[in-house]
Amino acid sequence: AQSVTQLGSHVSVSEGALVLLRCNYSSSVPPYLFWYVQYPNQGLQLLLKYTSAATLVKGINGFEAEFKKSETSFHLTKPSAHMSDAAEYFCAVSVPIEKLTFGTGTRLTIIP
Amino acid sequence: ETGVTQTPRHLVMGMTNKKSLKCEQHLGHNAMYWYKQSAKKPLELMFVYNFKEQTENNSVPSRFSPECPNSSHLFLHLHTLQPEDSALYLCASSQAGRLSGANVLTFGAGSRLTVL
Repeated sequence: AQSVTQLGSHVSVSEGALVLLRCNYSSSVPPYLFWYVQYPNQGLQLLLKYTSAATLVKGINGFEAEFKKSETSFHLTKPSAHMSDAAEYFCAVSVPIEKLTFGTGTRLTIIP
Repeated sequence: ETGVTQTPRHLVMGMTNKKSLKCEQHLGHNAMYWYKQSAKKPLELMFVYNFKEQTENNSVPSRFSPECPNSSHLFLHLHTLQPEDSALYLCASSQAGRLSGANVLTFGAGSRLTVL
């Protein structure tokens, strides 16, 4: 069965600084990987997904993630944080015929 | 309306009450899901429906009873709940069931349930 680990339940960065949210996965077959974001009082929405095409995936709102098979990682980055990026971010993994498995989430706080 | 709509957004109920959560999707998807979101825990998949048929039940207690009358509507009937059932219940839909693996889920805003 696949699993995903998000390192750091809370991350704080200054406005304009680099955002780095870490995600490591475990899967016995090539996985599909996703990042979802949840703003306060809202459901989750897709930021980006990796489905075995390019290893560097660009998403909405200036976010991107790089699939690194050797490190079993799919970290999420944004060069310059904005106040509107404050939210909870979820990494998720799935493989064919298996369910989508979510991490426990990372709450991102932006310091003015 | 577009997307996935959940009602009510907030619900407070006693342990002996019976209530229902409703989800409606306007995306033409054929798979619908119920998730439970509790603090400090991963999202828990509860039920999956594909083309109105239940294809997954993750050992959910019988006090939660799902209903999917058509591909656009999903209900979660609640009865004799416990305080630990207090959580955010999220509905989602997707184009295909879990067989694809690359499903992108579209979530509703959730129903915040408090059981007293």
